[in-house]
Amino acid sequence: EADIYQTPRYLVIGTGKKITLECSQTMGHDKMYWYQQDPGMELHLIHYSYGVNSTEKGDLSSESTVSRIRTEHFPLTLESARPSHTSQYLCASSRSGGLYEQYFGPGTRLTVT
Amino acid sequence: QKEVEQNSGPLSVPEGAIASLNCTYSDRGSQSFFWYRQYSGKSPELIMSIYSNGDKEDGRFTAQLNKASQYVSLLIRDSQPSDSATYLCAFNSGYSTLTFGKGTMLLVSP
Repeated sequence: EADIYQTPRYLVIGTGKKITLECSQTMGHDKMYWYQQDPGMELHLIHYSYGVNSTEKGDLSSESTVSRIRTEHFPLTLESARPSHTSQYLCASSRSGGLYEQYFGPGTRLTVT
Repeated sequence: QKEVEQNSGPLSVPEGAIASLNCTYSDRGSQSFFWYRQYSGKSPELIMSIYSNGDKEDGRFTAQLNKASQYVSLLIRDSQPSDSATYLCAFNSGYSTLTFGKGTMLLVSP
């Protein structure tokens, strides 16, 4: 079954650590996205990609970086985690040529202590 | 700036009733519209897409789009307690990104 995966699902880490949140999809979608969402709050787009070697910053300024070396893989990296990075990070994907419906992964809940 | 307006709620309805959720958007160039359901602590799940004026029905869900008035609505018939969630409205306007509303919380009481 085609799907979108995120690992880890939960992460508690200390300040200053480097972390990478993984996102993979098996749907063959060209476009992928990272959102940040605090509990009870709205979604904020932080990064997106139209395809391999394409990355763009989203509406919300973020200290994270992303890469897109393979179509199915879109990892997000924080070089030095801070408590302000505590949030839920959601990965999504959509196909090219469609009407832009996005499908979300289960999310990673990050806590920086 | 593209905006989506939704009443934050909560919208409370009794089990079996029709829940009506509304959304207005600012970008007249918007082409496609979506409703997502998000349970607390979970990720959004796409439940309806609509691209043309009028109604689109899928099971207990009906999406309604009126481009002239710039609103889209979601009707949930025979509401169940399991429908209790936050419903996010989203639209795109020809680009690959979506603009999401802040969501309306729906509470269905048994």
